[in-house]
Amino acid sequence: AQSVTQLGSHVSVSEGALVLLRCNYSSSVPPYLFWYVQYPNQGLQLLLKYTTGATLVKGINGFEAEFKKSETSFHLTKPSAHMSDAAEYFCAVSDRNTDKLIFGTGTRLQVFP
Amino acid sequence: DAMVIQNPRYQVTQFGKPVTLSCSQTLNHNVMYWYQQKSSQAPKLLFHYYDKDFNNEADTPDNFQSRRPNTSFCFLDIRSPGLGDAAMYLCATSPFPRGQRYEQYFGPGTRLTVT
Repeated sequence: AQSVTQLGSHVSVSEGALVLLRCNYSSSVPPYLFWYVQYPNQGLQLLLKYTTGATLVKGINGFEAEFKKSETSFHLTKPSAHMSDAAEYFCAVSDRNTDKLIFGTGTRLQVFP
Repeated sequence: DAMVIQNPRYQVTQFGKPVTLSCSQTLNHNVMYWYQQKSSQAPKLLFHYYDKDFNNEADTPDNFQSRRPNTSFCFLDIRSPGLGDAAMYLCATSPFPRGQRYEQYFGPGTRLTVT
C-alpha cells in the first residue's frame, strides 16, 4: 500500500529564511506526487506536482520540489520565506489503482518577522 | 474562471437535525469527491463519484449520504449530525479518465458547527 510521511508537524522559520518541508513516500509503482497548501478556513490549493520527466518541479509562489527516487523523497523548498507563506502544507501521492489521493498528516509552517 | 464552489461556507446545525451541504463545479470534471477534515488533520475521503457511479469508503458512517443529480452538482447529506461531525467538509473534482491520476481541484470548504 502506498503511504506518505511528513516529518515535522510544525516548522518555524524567519521571514527571508529557507523553507524546507519534508515528505517521504512509499510506493510499489512510479508515484505521482503532489504538494497542496491550505490557508485557514480555505480549501486545498495545488502548489506543484510530479508525474514523469524532470525531477525538479517548480510550482506557484516560488516553491519547488525535487523527486528523489533513491531516497523516496519529495521535499518542498522555497529559498526565502514570506509572511504570506504561513499555512498548512500537505504532501500527497496518487494511488494508481484507485485514483485516490493519499495525504500525509500535514506540516504547519509559521513565518516570524 | 472555472472553479469548484461550495455553499454555504459556514453552516450551523443542531444535534440530530439533518443538514445538506452543496458543491458545484464549472470544470466539467467527471469525478467528484467529498472529504471530511477535522482540526489539524489531513482530509479524510468519505465517498466519490465517477459520473453517477457512487463509491463509498468502507469506514464512512451510514449517517453520511450523497447525491449527484448531474455533472455539475453534488450534495452531502448528514442525516442526524452528532457533535463529532463538526468539521470542515471539502468537495473536490478531477477529470477522467480513470486510472490516470490527475490532481484534484478543491473547493473552499464548508465549516460545519453542531450545537
